[in-house]
Amino acid sequence: GEDVEQSLFLSVREGDSSVINCTYTDSSSTYLYWYKQEPGAGLQLLTYIFSNMDMKQDQRLTVLLNKKDKHLSLRIADTQTGDSAIYFCAESIRGDKLTFGTGTRLAVRP
Amino acid sequence: SQTIHQWPATLVQPVGSPLSLECTVEGTSNPNLYWYRQAAGRGLQLLFYSVGIGQISSEVPQNLSASRPQDRQFILSSKKLLLSDSGFYLCAWCSSGVYEQYFGPGTRLTVT
Repeated sequence: GEDVEQSLFLSVREGDSSVINCTYTDSSSTYLYWYKQEPGAGLQLLTYIFSNMDMKQDQRLTVLLNKKDKHLSLRIADTQTGDSAIYFCAESIRGDKLTFGTGTRLAVRP
Repeated sequence: SQTIHQWPATLVQPVGSPLSLECTVEGTSNPNLYWYRQAAGRGLQLLFYSVGIGQISSEVPQNLSASRPQDRQFILSSKKLLLSDSGFYLCAWCSSGVYEQYFGPGTRLTVT
């Protein structure tokens, strides 16, 4: 079955870069997503990447995909206190049903 | 623009009581609709999804059910709540054939 794993916690200093990692097991995964969840709120879609891409950049966000190792990462440049949240990685085969990781809590310290 | 609403925002219910959570989407037609549950400190688990009125697919066998009485309305129900039903329930939508799911604000359910 599908499985998505993430580390539970990451702490970075304000202004540094954050790298959040994710591994998945299903080689059929076609779409890979990053969502952000602030306390008590729903999930905000940050970005997604197709499995035939290696990298996608969107302003301060860079997504890297290593399909061979089934490894996905999200880099946040110049991390700000407003970036403190839980970040979820998710994968989907057809873009309909998503399988989520357990989330990585990012803490940004001043 | 499209918006998704969930009601209520928070709910405290005793064990054995019924449940009805509502999700509505505005600004689009014939969306795919999803119900997820997020248990404390855990990721999201897909419960139900629907590709059209009256079409419901269940992902996890449990005492919950879902219905889609109108194109942009998705309802999550239970006849008798269990303690294990506590969690954060999230509704999501996407346009058919588009690979981006957008989430509502969620309903926090506490079963006592």
